[in-house]
Amino acid sequence: NAGVTQTPKFQVLKTGQSMTLQCAQDMNHNSMYWYRQDPGMGLRLIYYSASEGTTDKGEVPNGYNVSRLNKREFSLRLESAAPSQTSVYFCASRGDRINSPLHFGNGTRLTVT
Amino acid sequence: KNQVEQSPQSLIILEGKNCTLQCNYTVSPFSNLRWYKQDTGRGPVSLTIMTFSENTKSNGRYTATLDADTKQSSLHITASQLSDSASYICVVTLDILTGGGNKLTFGTGTQLKVEL
Repeated sequence: NAGVTQTPKFQVLKTGQSMTLQCAQDMNHNSMYWYRQDPGMGLRLIYYSASEGTTDKGEVPNGYNVSRLNKREFSLRLESAAPSQTSVYFCASRGDRINSPLHFGNGTRLTVT
Repeated sequence: KNQVEQSPQSLIILEGKNCTLQCNYTVSPFSNLRWYKQDTGRGPVSLTIMTFSENTKSNGRYTATLDADTKQSSLHITASQLSDSASYICVVTLDILTGGGNKLTFGTGTQLKVEL
């Protein structure tokens, strides 16, 4: 039982390049999330998906797009990377029961030069 | 503004010693407070959840407390081990039923290092 799987683990981009971060969960969860984690700041929500076919903006959506490909997969795309997007990105999923915890992947460390 | 503040920012203790981490929040309306443990290079993992009516809850050597009146929570670690070295993150959830939309507010974490 893998939980939440993110790929790649590390990535270096040049300013202006694009890339897609992949996330898949095997827990049959409806809700999935993308967060970024920066030094000295709490995790910040980029986008979330409450169910297959729906996506909504979080706290810091600018510069990102998402796709909820199916119930398992939720990808995050950077169309034109900027140095300000250097961060560690976490995907998470959550069950439908009230007070269910977030289940996180192990993150993608992205550096934009 | 809804905020979650944790203290101390970092802490070094000797193996076998106890420690207490603090979390103060201004999130309202409050639904629950959860503590996560984040090992280096890994995603956060839930340790325990505190709802409005709970004062204390234990999970092995971890004991969380909640004072909803003063909006404070603590995480006490007993008989620390090297494997306790991690970042501990406090997360408060807004109340769904009163229109909070299940929004989460994350603290910045306390970095704990346990040494021999």
